[in-house]
Amino acid sequence: QVQLMQSGAEVRKPGASVKISCKASGYTFTSYSIHWVRQAPGHGLQWMGWIHGGNGDTKYSQTFKDRLTIVSDASASTAYLELSSLTSEDTAVYFCARAMSTSPFDPWGLGTLVTVSS
Amino acid sequence: QSVLTQPPSVSGAPGQRVTISCTGSGSNIGAGYEVHWYQQLPGTAPKLLIYDNDNRPSGVPDRFSGSKSGTSASLAITGLQAEDETDYYCQSYDNRLSGWVFGGGTRLTVL
Repeated sequence: QVQLMQSGAEVRKPGASVKISCKASGYTFTSYSIHWVRQAPGHGLQWMGWIHGGNGDTKYSQTFKDRLTIVSDASASTAYLELSSLTSEDTAVYFCARAMSTSPFDPWGLGTLVTVSS
Repeated sequence: QSVLTQPPSVSGAPGQRVTISCTGSGSNIGAGYEVHWYQQLPGTAPKLLIYDNDNRPSGVPDRFSGSKSGTSASLAITGLQAEDETDYYCQSYDNRLSGWVFGGGTRLTVL
């Protein structure tokens, strides 16, 4: 079955960067996009950006454009999110999800908790 | 401030029907983009509940239904059950932002 396996929890100090991964299985990685969505504690869902698993095209939310990098390794069926210049407001669970074009996000990974604290 | 507006909370008694609204604008729902709904149980990832306005994925009970009209969409849940008590989010695409947007989420309480 289609699965997205995310890397483990991370703790970073303010000003640092974090890179988390999302390994796909059960489908052809290059035929779909991977989206990244985050959820701060007690808050709603916030779309961050996406990468096409086949050609590597990316699109970022303007909210994160200067700090966010999404890359993929098709040979490993894995997408990566890197967020720089972290502040306490970046403390959140980061989810990856599969989609195609404007189709719904399905399935989702279990999420990776990133904690930013001095 | 979310681009799509949902009520923060709704409630209903077991067996009743509730609806959750999702109000957008001419650059997202009103532009003809599909609306999707997700259910998120505490401490878990969101799960697709309704896609393309009014379609249920396999395994989702027919107690859940979706609709869309103009710049708004709605999720209806009939025959409320205790297990329905959780958070629900709507989603669409916004061509002004060139990205996907979510509603702020609605907490459903089963009385």
